Amino acid sequence: AQSVTQPDIHITVSEGASLELRCNYSYGATPYLFWYVQSPGQGLQLLLKYFSGDTLVQGIKGFEAEFKRSQSSFNLRKPSVHWSDAAEYFCAVGRGGYGNKLVFGAGTILRVKS
Amino acid sequence: DAMVIQNPRYQVTQFGKPVTLSCSQTLNHNVMYWYQQKSSQAPKLLFHYYDKDFNNEADTPDNFQSRRPNTSFCFLDIRSPGLGDAAMYLCATSRAGVSYNEQFFGPGTRLTVL
Repeated sequence: AQSVTQPDIHITVSEGASLELRCNYSYGATPYLFWYVQSPGQGLQLLLKYFSGDTLVQGIKGFEAEFKRSQSSFNLRKPSVHWSDAAEYFCAVGRGGYGNKLVFGAGTILRVKS
Repeated sequence: DAMVIQNPRYQVTQFGKPVTLSCSQTLNHNVMYWYQQKSSQAPKLLFHYYDKDFNNEADTPDNFQSRRPNTSFCFLDIRSPGLGDAAMYLCATSRAGVSYNEQFFGPGTRLTVL
């Protein structure tokens, strides 16, 4: 069965510092991978996605992620964090099929200190 | 702007009193999903519609039902809400059949059960 692990429940970084959020997945075939962000009390917004091709994908708000098949990882990065990036981040893997069903990781809460 | 709309944003109901949550979309997507997200947890898929075909997840309680009267609208009915059903309910849409498309989420409805 497909699964997603986000090993860090909370991460705190200083404003302006770099960020890396970890995501490991388990999937039998080529995965469809996503990162979503959720601000408190809000729905999920797509940051970026990987289907195929270039393993380094660029997203919105200055985020990028790198797909590493050998490590079953899809880590999210940002070179310089802004206070407005404080939110919860979810990694997800697509289970495929016509329904495009997603399996989410447990999420990582990002705190930004000034 | 094309979007996914959920009403109401906050819903309070009494233990055992039926409640209906609403989702509408202007994206003309053929797949609609309902997720349950409890506090500090990942979204959990309850069911989805592919056009008019209803697909229930195996572990979704019978207490949860859904209706999709047309392409634009989808409803989540909770027949007898229990305290454990208090959660954020997220509606999402996607366009299946044309490569693998991401899901677009609404802002969610926060359900409180008294």
